Amino acid sequence: GAGVSQSPSNKVTEKGKDVELRCDPISGHTALYWYRQSLGQGLEFLIYFQGNSAPDKSGLPSDRFSAERTGGSVSTLTIQRTQQEDSAVYLCASSLVGGGAGDTQYFGPGTRLTVL
Amino acid sequence: QKEVEQDPGPLSVPEGAIVSLNCTYSNSAFQYFMWYRQYSRKGPELLMYTYSSGNKEDGRFTAQVDKSSKYISLFIRDSQPSDSATYLCATGTASKLTFGTGTRLQVTL
Repeated sequence: GAGVSQSPSNKVTEKGKDVELRCDPISGHTALYWYRQSLGQGLEFLIYFQGNSAPDKSGLPSDRFSAERTGGSVSTLTIQRTQQEDSAVYLCASSLVGGGAGDTQYFGPGTRLTVL
Repeated sequence: QKEVEQDPGPLSVPEGAIVSLNCTYSNSAFQYFMWYRQYSRKGPELLMYTYSSGNKEDGRFTAQVDKSSKYISLFIRDSQPSDSATYLCATGTASKLTFGTGTRLQVTL
């Protein structure tokens, strides 16, 4: 079956512009995660959606970052007024029931964001 | 100090070698232990998963967890060039997963 898909695969933007990154999770998965992967930094948790519950936003680095998940499926991560330090690979993952480490997360290929 | 520490490598070994990858973690509340493999320009994929101390074997791969010393290991036997990738350890609780930085492994012919 189809895995997690993300778009665009690559995004180059100028400092100060807003960007939107999209994630399509595996059909039927109720949990959705966003991570950021920078060189030498590993995967940094950003935000977690579980069903209709309020999202866990504890990993968002600043108020320039926001995310929404419409209809319990597709999610969009928005970065406003992008900065050069936002350059990274943004990874989305979904899992069947959520619960953090207790449920297998399936990752998409990521969006490589470059802020000039 | 990071909650999960992992040597970034790179680690280069000849084909057929035994590979040992390691992580340490600081939070004794962590209950789940995983290894993910990530090929270049791809997302991570789950390789091994355990929630108890001891060893778990799957083909050429063995995951080892020592909760008393907060040490996680992944052993790869008879390593192949196709094993060349970045290996990320991950651990956490039921509500959150924390990843190591990943170790880049290169298996040469």
